[in-house]
Amino acid sequence: QSVLTQPPSVSGAPGQRVTISCTGSSSNIGAGYDVHWYQQLPGTAPKLLIYGNSNRPSGVPDRFSGSKSGTSASLAITGLQAEDEADYYCQSYDSSLSALFGTGTKVTVL
Amino acid sequence: QVQLVQSGAEVKKPGASVKVSCKASGYTFTSYGISWVRQAPGQGLEWMGWISAYNGNTNYAQKLQGRVTMTTDTSTSTAYMELRSLRSDDTAVYYCARDGGLYGDGMDVWGQGTTVTVSS
Repeated sequence: QSVLTQPPSVSGAPGQRVTISCTGSSSNIGAGYDVHWYQQLPGTAPKLLIYGNSNRPSGVPDRFSGSKSGTSASLAITGLQAEDEADYYCQSYDSSLSALFGTGTKVTVL
Repeated sequence: QVQLVQSGAEVKKPGASVKVSCKASGYTFTSYGISWVRQAPGQGLEWMGWISAYNGNTNYAQKLQGRVTMTTDTSTSTAYMELRSLRSDDTAVYYCARDGGLYGDGMDVWGQGTTVTVSS
C-alpha cells in the first residue's frame, strides 16, 4: 500500500480552482525527494503533468501548478475545465530510492 | 517522435510466467532508464521497478523481489519485464515509462499498456 496519501476525490464547477494534496513523511517527500504529478484520463496511460515539484512539461497548460513544502505537496488546477476530469497521482521516492505513487485522486467537474 | 510501444495482451494461468516488451524510438535509448508500473482493475498505480538502459542496473519494488526480472536489449532499444509465479492478483495493465531516475524529470513518456490476465 502507498505511503503517499491523497484525497480520494475532489470536485469543482467549471472555472473554479481545486487543489489536491499529497501527504508523505520524513522518509520520502520530507527527505527532499522531488514530487511529480500525473494525469490519467479514463482508459488511457498516465501523462506527466508536473515534474520536479513545480515544473510543467511543454504542452501542459499553465492552469496546472505544483508546490511542495515539508512532507507534503499539492497540485492546483485553476479555471477548471470539463477535460480536466481524470485521476491524478503524485509520485516521489523513498530512502531505498524506490518510486512511490500516491493513492490517487478523482477530479470531477460538476 | 518519442514513443514506447508495448507488446500485446496476454492471458496466463496461475503459476505461469509472462514477459512484456517495450520498444523505444525517437530518442537515445541508453540515455534514460525505464520504469515498469502496473494498475490492477479499478485500482491505483503501482511502481514495479526501474532499469537503467545505460548499464542494466535495476531497482525492484520490495514486494516483487524474486518474482520480477527487468532487462534491456540496447541493439533493438527494447526493454523487457518478466514476472514469474503469476497469481490472480497480478491481473493488471502493465505500463513501461521512460524515467530518468531519482535525479530525472519524472516518467515523461509512457507506453500504451499491456493487459495481463491471470486466470485458470
